[in-house]
Amino acid sequence: GESVGLHLPTLSVQEGDNSIINCAYSNSASDYFIWYKQESGKGPQFIIDIRSNMDKRQGQRVTVLLNKTVKHLSLQIAATQPGDSAVYFCAENGDQGGKLIFGQGTELSVKP
Amino acid sequence: GAVVSQHPSRVICKSGTSVKIECRSLDFQATTMFWYRQFPKQSLMLMATSNEGSKATYEQGVEKDKFLINHASLTLSTLTVTSAHPEDSSFYICSASGEGGYSNQPQHFGDGTRLSIL
Repeated sequence: GESVGLHLPTLSVQEGDNSIINCAYSNSASDYFIWYKQESGKGPQFIIDIRSNMDKRQGQRVTVLLNKTVKHLSLQIAATQPGDSAVYFCAENGDQGGKLIFGQGTELSVKP
Repeated sequence: GAVVSQHPSRVICKSGTSVKIECRSLDFQATTMFWYRQFPKQSLMLMATSNEGSKATYEQGVEKDKFLINHASLTLSTLTVTSAHPEDSSFYICSASGEGGYSNQPQHFGDGTRLSIL
């Protein structure tokens, strides 16, 4: 079935380093992608989104890259901080008419 | 902007009790709201899509009589877990999308409700 998968379920980085979280998607009809951050006991928090007519989008300390050729999405976090520790989910819209398909999540752990 | 409030944040109740969870969009009109269930260390599983003024659309395998959804206004959707049993214990999260729930708009999430059935 359709799925959005992540290459790494856990990622541990040193404070100050850059983090890269990867995501593979399978639905070629997807034209909208979102990254969410979920802290323990809370709901997902919107980080950044990108539409399929773009291959890169930057926010504050975050960059999302989209490679439609290989159906790959990544989230780059610059100068990772302890407060970035959380589970990160990618999501795609597929052809679901407003629904989102979520990936399995990557747990980012930042070591001081 | 785009704040979604979910209440209560935690519920502990006896088996057989019905539990209502509210989801409100505080600063925008949400024509579409979504209800998810999340087990520990797992991703979000969509349960149903709630559209203002119409019946909710349930995902395959989700019992509509068990999980009653009402979306009576553009700012409020409720999920009622009827006759809850221990296997219904989970983290329930709602999200809201404005502008008709078009597929290229982000969903904004509430902070979830931890439901524990004894």
